[in-house]
Amino acid sequence: DGGITQSPKYLFRKEGQNVTLSCEQNLNHDAMYWYRQDPGQGLRLIYYSQIVNDFQKGDIAEGYSVSREKKESFPLTVTSAQKNPTAFYLCATLRGVGNEQFFGPGTRLTVL
Amino acid sequence: QQPVQSPQAVILREGEDAVINCSSSKALYSVHWYRQKHGEAPVFLMILLKGGEQKGHDKISASFNEKKQQSSLYLTASQLSYSGTYFCGTGNSGGSNYKLTFGKGTLLTVNP
Repeated sequence: DGGITQSPKYLFRKEGQNVTLSCEQNLNHDAMYWYRQDPGQGLRLIYYSQIVNDFQKGDIAEGYSVSREKKESFPLTVTSAQKNPTAFYLCATLRGVGNEQFFGPGTRLTVL
Repeated sequence: QQPVQSPQAVILREGEDAVINCSSSKALYSVHWYRQKHGEAPVFLMILLKGGEQKGHDKISASFNEKKQQSSLYLTASQLSYSGTYFCGTGNSGGSNYKLTFGKGTLLTVNP
């Protein structure tokens, strides 16, 4: 079955620690996206990548970093510079312009 | 800049109709509609493209007014399963730097 995998579903970290969220897809889609969701805020774009070895900042990139070394993988690192990292993080892919965006199941990150 | 959705919340009885609006301050190439249940990933409902093309489900309809930069989602004869938060995502262009900007969502509750 084709799809997007995000692991783990729940993640707990201490304040000041970096943490990397995994996103893997086997849909063979070129474009991948990371969103952050907070209650009442909708989905806000953190980073996106249209092709391997290239990525762009979204609307709220500060305190985050990404890499795109393989087409299938787009990991997101939440650094200690991110002031309010506790949120629900969603990874998504896109087959092409004008097509639906597919979402992974999400990772809920809680920083204690 | 996030598109503006209205209303923020709506409560229906099973069988009633609802309209959810999405308005942008920027010229739009596409409008995507998604429904999200609490703690889950958004699920695709509909895409409307500049020029009139639509892709989506049979039981959901929507309109896209390119001049007014607005879209509306029409839910008819609502069912209990329609409950959730509805998001519109607006596509910036048809080019290689394609990304979606999502509204803050409309919470729809359908009661028996």
